Amino acid sequence: NAGVTQTPKFQVLKTGQSMTLQCAQDMNHNSMYWYRQDPGMGLRLIYYSASEGTTDKGEVPNGYNVSRLNKREFSLRLESAAPSQTSVYFCASSSIDRGRGETQYFGPGTRLLVL
Amino acid sequence: SQQGEEDPQALSIQEGENATMNCSYKTSINNLQWYRQNSGRGLVHLILIRSNEREKHSGRLRVTLDTSKKSSSLLITASRAADTASYFCATVTVGGFQKLVFGTGTRLLVSP
Repeated sequence: NAGVTQTPKFQVLKTGQSMTLQCAQDMNHNSMYWYRQDPGMGLRLIYYSASEGTTDKGEVPNGYNVSRLNKREFSLRLESAAPSQTSVYFCASSSIDRGRGETQYFGPGTRLLVL
Repeated sequence: SQQGEEDPQALSIQEGENATMNCSYKTSINNLQWYRQNSGRGLVHLILIRSNEREKHSGRLRVTLDTSKKSSSLLITASRAADTASYFCATVTVGGFQKLVFGTGTRLLVSP
């Protein structure tokens, strides 16, 4: 049981390049999330998927797109990377559980540098 | 914008001492959660307290919630060096599905 996995761990892009961050969970969770974390700040929600087949914008969606490929996988795409998108990106998943409520489980993060 | 603000931003204590972190938030909540983040790692859930609860315990952790003041505190008793990490509060707002809104975090350093 790997939990939430993310690839790649590190990535360097040039301005204008595109890339897709991959996330997968093996906990059979319905909901998945993408956050970004900038230095000295908490996490900010980019997009989320309440269930397979649905996606919604979070607090900072501009410059990103997402795909909920199936129940396990939720990808984040940067179509034209900008230096302002330099950040650490975290994927998370959750499932309402009577005992634990809306606890979210996080992946290890992807560190992205845009030059 | 961030929902929560945490205080202090940084805290340095000795092993064995207690550590208290505070979190304030802005809107009505369904629940409030605390997460820990070790340097360079993902976040790990510590404890969840619902809006109708006032206090909750889990091992060496004690969380309080005052909805009238829109604030919460996390107490770690008998701190250990392994508790060194950043601690974040996160809220689920009323009607906010399961979306977490994070505070800015408290960096805790526990020295041996």
